[in-house]
Amino acid sequence: GESVGLHLPTLSVQEGDNSIINCAYSNSASDYFIWYKQESGKGPQFIIDIRSNMDKRQGQRVTVLLNKTVKHLSLQIAATQPGDSAVYFCAVVWGGYNKLIFGAGTRLAVHP
Amino acid sequence: KAGVTQTPRYLIKTRGQQVTLSCSPISGHRSVSWYQQTPGQGLQFLFEYFSETQRNKGNFPGRFSGRQFSNSRSEMNVSTLELGDSALYLCASSLGTGGAGTGELFFGEGSRLTVL
Repeated sequence: GESVGLHLPTLSVQEGDNSIINCAYSNSASDYFIWYKQESGKGPQFIIDIRSNMDKRQGQRVTVLLNKTVKHLSLQIAATQPGDSAVYFCAVVWGGYNKLIFGAGTRLAVHP
Repeated sequence: KAGVTQTPRYLIKTRGQQVTLSCSPISGHRSVSWYQQTPGQGLQFLFEYFSETQRNKGNFPGRFSGRQFSNSRSEMNVSTLELGDSALYLCASSLGTGGAGTGELFFGEGSRLTVL
């Protein structure tokens, strides 16, 4: 099967710093990875995705890195802002279509 | 355009009862997936419907069921409720023609079920 885990349950950063959230997965056959952000009282919101044929993908202030050798991916948030405070999940598409296996989540707390 | 709409947002039931939750996907989306979110187990996939057919299923007991209507709206039902069914139930919609691999899943805000 597939499992997805996270290294740190809580990450505290200062406003303006860069944040790095890590995630490990277990199955080397995993092909597609997604990062979601969940704010309090809301459903998860898509941030960025990456396919297994890529090592890096950039979005607006966010970068996802994929290391297939050690089965690890990370989400980097540049110039972290208070609005970035949320729980971040990595997820892997597993078993086809829209079945996602989610990691446990990392809470990001941004301090002024 | 309107997002994914879930009703009710909050509900309280007692053990042994049953509950039905509703999800209206984004207009034009044909796939609806359901997830259960709890503090202990995190986000877990329940099932996915596409064009009124269950296309994928997670590892939940038969008490959890769902269906999708011709207008893509979906309902999920939990029968004989247990305390452990207390959770946030999230619905997500997508175009569905190529799976999450070709686009994003759009989540609703969830229905929070409390079982007493």
